[in-house]
Amino acid sequence: DGGITQSPKYLFRKEGQNVTLSCEQNLNHDAMYWYRQDPGQGLRLIYYSQIVNDFQKGDIAEGYSVSREKKESFPLTVTSAQKNPTAFYLCASSPSRDRVYEQYFGPGTRLTVT
Amino acid sequence: EDQVTQSPEALRLQEGESSSLNCSYTVSGLRGLFWYRQDPGKGPEFLFTLYSAGEEKEKERLKATLTKKESFLHITAPKPEDSATYLCAVRLTGGGNKLTFGTGTQLKVEL
Repeated sequence: DGGITQSPKYLFRKEGQNVTLSCEQNLNHDAMYWYRQDPGQGLRLIYYSQIVNDFQKGDIAEGYSVSREKKESFPLTVTSAQKNPTAFYLCASSPSRDRVYEQYFGPGTRLTVT
Repeated sequence: EDQVTQSPEALRLQEGESSSLNCSYTVSGLRGLFWYRQDPGKGPEFLFTLYSAGEEKEKERLKATLTKKESFLHITAPKPEDSATYLCAVRLTGGGNKLTFGTGTQLKVEL
């Protein structure tokens, strides 16, 4: 089955530690995205990548880093510089060609930092 | 400033009671409006894409429509399994492939 996987589903970390969230897709999509979702707020874009070895900051990139070494993978690192890291993190991908721009989401990772 | 506003924030319906959710946008150039359904603790599930005013899309009990200023998601004869948060997002001219999301409408359908 084609799809987007995120792991783990739940993640707990102590303040001051960096943590990496995994996102893998086997849809052969060119573009991948990371969003953060907080209660009462819309999804906010952290980083996105339209091709391998290239990525751009979204609206709330501070305290986060990404890499895109393979088309299938777009891991997100939440660094200790992120002031409020506890949130629900969503990864998405899209074909981004032939006027097909819908984004398809993974199941999410809920990160709790104490 | 580009904005996407969804209303109402929450909606409670009886099974079979049809209604509409609204997504209004004030953007400089729209290049697509997207509807998603999100169940608690899960990622959003893609429903529809609309590109131009007058366009309509249907799927089971859901029908999405688009005007120059807003989109409606009509729910006909809803069932309890339609309970979810419905999100809309817009893709802007010059925005690349970025989407701007509204905060969603939380729908609960009761027996």
